[in-house]
Amino acid sequence: DVKVTQSSRYLVKRTGEKVFLECVQDMDHENMFWYRQDPGLGLRLIYFSYDVKMKEKGDIPEGYSVSREKKERFSLILESASTNQTSMYLCASSLGVEGYGYTFGSGTRLTVV
Amino acid sequence: EDQVTQSPEALRLQEGESSSLNCSYTVSGLRGLFWYRQDPGKGPEFLFTLYSAGEEKEKERLKATLTKKESFLHITAPKPEDSATYLCAVRGFYKAAGNKLTFGGGTRVLVKP
Repeated sequence: DVKVTQSSRYLVKRTGEKVFLECVQDMDHENMFWYRQDPGLGLRLIYFSYDVKMKEKGDIPEGYSVSREKKERFSLILESASTNQTSMYLCASSLGVEGYGYTFGSGTRLTVV
Repeated sequence: EDQVTQSPEALRLQEGESSSLNCSYTVSGLRGLFWYRQDPGKGPEFLFTLYSAGEEKEKERLKATLTKKESFLHITAPKPEDSATYLCAVRGFYKAAGNKLTFGGGTRVLVKP
């Protein structure tokens, strides 16, 4: 089974801090994704990457950046955390094959105070 | 732009009371429709992929069906452990790289004993 591992289940950070969320997958998937999930708003795509060092903005990229230096690792960076970035963050990976489903990580619940 | 609408938003069932969840979609060239189950505080877990109208997939008490405009997730004789949020997503035809999915808002299912 493909595993997608997010480094932290729960994080509490202060406003203005730089925050790194890490995601690692172990099945050589080309595509990796970062979503945030909020009540009433569903899953919203922040950024995705279809290859090493390649990245594309999703629907809500403002205030975030990403890094993919190795195929198995995709990092989400909050440059200066704000309270409106308090959310559940979900990482997912997929083969680069059209119509292939995602495998999700367990999520990181981030609280910015 | 692809769109996915799920209904109802929430569903309360008695144990053994069968019901159906709806996923209506608008997509340019369907390449796959996906159902996921999500338990509170966890990442979505893959259930089914459907690719063409008329296709059906089953897993235990769950059965997914697909038409050209919508998909149904039928829950037969549900048990309390079927309580979860069920997410629907579609993959349309894109020229851009990356296997992006568009998600619906989900249906929260609560099965009471």
